Amino acid sequence: KNQVEQSPQSLIILEGKNCTLQCNYTVSPFSNLRWYKQDTGRGPVSLTIMTFSENTKSNGRYTATLDADTKQSSLHITASQLSDSASYICVVSEGSSNTGKLIFGQGTTLQVKP
Amino acid sequence: EAGVTQSPTHLIKTRGQQATLRCSPISGHTSVYWYQQALGLGLQFLLWYDEGEERNRGNFPPRFSGRQFPNYSSELNVNALELEDSALYLCASSQERGGRGYTFGSGTRLTVV
Repeated sequence: KNQVEQSPQSLIILEGKNCTLQCNYTVSPFSNLRWYKQDTGRGPVSLTIMTFSENTKSNGRYTATLDADTKQSSLHITASQLSDSASYICVVSEGSSNTGKLIFGQGTTLQVKP
Repeated sequence: EAGVTQSPTHLIKTRGQQATLRCSPISGHTSVYWYQQALGLGLQFLLWYDEGEERNRGNFPPRFSGRQFPNYSSELNVNALELEDSALYLCASSQERGGRGYTFGSGTRLTVV
């Protein structure tokens, strides 16, 4: 069964600190892996998208890595800000067929405290 | 460029009623996807429309249905509402099958009382 699992489920850090969120997936084949940021009650906003041939992608203070061999991805947030408080969702796109369906992780809820 | 727009922002219905949610995709996007996100849970795939046709649906009962119009906007209809249908309903659109340019709207918060 195609699954995406994220850890930790929740995380609290102090403003200015770095943190890393993990994503393991069993989706195969897959065409791309995305990280989204979702503020409470809002729609997810794309942070990064990587194909299986890419192993790192940055977007400002956000850096995503991908190891397609071990089927693991991470999202590293540098110098966290209060506005980083949100849910971070790892999403994997099935690659072989036009299912139109993305496989979503449950998300990691990040709280940045002053 | 306008993003994916959803209406209404909030909707309160009574159990047993019907709810209609609307989504306008980004200009040039032909695929529309619907997701349900219950409070504290992950996104669950509901429906995918492309070029006016339903292409795939998730593991939801038939009372969840929808359609896509010639201008690529879409409606999600939920009949015989149940309390557990209370959730944030998100719409996303993309340029083509496979999801290039995949973008979410801000969602409709449906509350069933």
